[in-house]
Amino acid sequence: GAVVSQHPSWVICKSGTSVKIECRSLDFQATTMFWYRQFPKQSLMLMATSNEGSKATYEQGVEKDKFLINHASLTLSTLTVTSAHPEDSSFYICSARSRASGELFFGEGSRLTVL
Amino acid sequence: LAKTTQPISMDSYEGQEVNITCSHNNIATNDYITWYQQFPSQGPRFIIQGYKTKVTNEVASLFIPADRKSSTLSLPRVSLSDTAVYYCLVARRWGYSGAGSYQLTFGKGTKLSVIP
Repeated sequence: GAVVSQHPSWVICKSGTSVKIECRSLDFQATTMFWYRQFPKQSLMLMATSNEGSKATYEQGVEKDKFLINHASLTLSTLTVTSAHPEDSSFYICSARSRASGELFFGEGSRLTVL
Repeated sequence: LAKTTQPISMDSYEGQEVNITCSHNNIATNDYITWYQQFPSQGPRFIIQGYKTKVTNEVASLFIPADRKSSTLSLPRVSLSDTAVYYCLVARRWGYSGAGSYQLTFGKGTKLSVIP
């Protein structure tokens, strides 16, 4: 099946630094990508929806200036956590919708730990 | 988006059939029912999707009654490797176009523990 790759799979950073997480659709073009955040023992929470070439739509309560999303091509979306703090430590998951079939595919997730 | 309700947890012995029921009383005409499986520290994996009646694939069956207000995921003969969290989602398709969004909202999920 189609593959969505996230990089890095895990990252540790110091408080106050910025971290970029990439989400790539390896063998299909994605018109829309979604970013989720998942805290331990909790469900996935949708953070934002991004369409290629346009600004992301953020869910209520998600700071767009803190979580910068760029969807510059049909195969790549990036999430940058700016000025990260320990409370931003979480599991970040992206999903991508196939342009051809409309199916949704999830990445394997990226675990961020902010010290 | 329709809210879903499913049991928080379930236990089952290996080899048994497991049925997880999900309630979605406010499901709309354009909504589809989709189930995902998630292992710890991994992204969700698609299991099955349906609109009405019964859908079966190589890993599961999905039963949806006529009123579509609930659905049941059936896992035949579970093994230890089926221990995971199972999410029932109801998603509204906004029409398929180049910029269409098929948004998924996750509920709390059901943690299935398979016991040897």
